[in-house]
Amino acid sequence: AQSVTQLDSHVSVSEGTPVLLRCNYSSSYSPSLFWYVQHPNKGLQLLLKYTSAATLVKGINGFEAEFKKSETSFHLTKPSAHMSDAAEYFCVVWKAAGNKLTFGGGTRVLVKP
Amino acid sequence: DTEVTQTPKHLVMGMTNKKSLKCEQHMGHRAMYWYKQKAKKPPELMFVYSYEKLSINESVPSRFSPECPNSSLLNLHLHALQPEDSALYLCASSQAGIRNTGELFFGEGSRLTVL
Repeated sequence: AQSVTQLDSHVSVSEGTPVLLRCNYSSSYSPSLFWYVQHPNKGLQLLLKYTSAATLVKGINGFEAEFKKSETSFHLTKPSAHMSDAAEYFCVVWKAAGNKLTFGGGTRVLVKP
Repeated sequence: DTEVTQTPKHLVMGMTNKKSLKCEQHMGHRAMYWYKQKAKKPPELMFVYSYEKLSINESVPSRFSPECPNSSLLNLHLHALQPEDSALYLCASSQAGIRNTGELFFGEGSRLTVL
C-alpha cells in the first residue's frame, strides 16, 4: 500500500521569506509524486511532478521539490513567498494500477505581509 | 485548450430533488474522474471512467449516478441526497491507459448544498 504524510497542517511565512512544505511517502516501488495547489474556492492545479527522472524537479511559480529516496521525502520549497502563494497544498502519490491518486492531508499556507 | 469546465458552479437542492452536475473537457483525454471534497479535507475519489467505461466506483452510494455520454463529457446525477453530501465536487481528466502518468487536470468544482 502507498501513503503520503504531510508533516505540517499549517505553515505561516512572511512575504519574501522561504517556504518549506514537508511530505513523506510510503511506496513499495518507485513512485510518481506530485504537488498540487488549491486556491480558495478553486480546483486543483498541478505545481510539479516527479516521475523517476531528475531528483530535483522545478515547477510553476518558482516552486521546486527534491525527491530523496533514502529519506522517502518529497519536500516542496520556494525561495521567496508571495502573497498569491496563500493556498492549500497537497502532496500526492500516483498508483498506476487502478488510476488512483493518494492525497496527503494538505498544508495550508498563510503569507503575512 | 487545457481547461476542464464544470457546471453549475453552485447548486442548492432539497433532499427530494433530482439534479445533475456536468463536466466537459476538450483535451482529448480518455480518463475522467469525479472527486468529492469536504471543507479542509483532501479530495476523495468517487468514480473513474476510462475510455467511456466505468472502471472504478469507490463504493459510492447509489444516490450518486455517474454517466459518460462521450469522451468529452461526464455527468453526475444526484437524487435523494442527504445534508452530509454537501461538498465541493471536482471533475478531472487525464490521459488513459499506459499513457496515464497520474497528471490530472481539475475543474474548479461544483459546490453543492443539500438542505
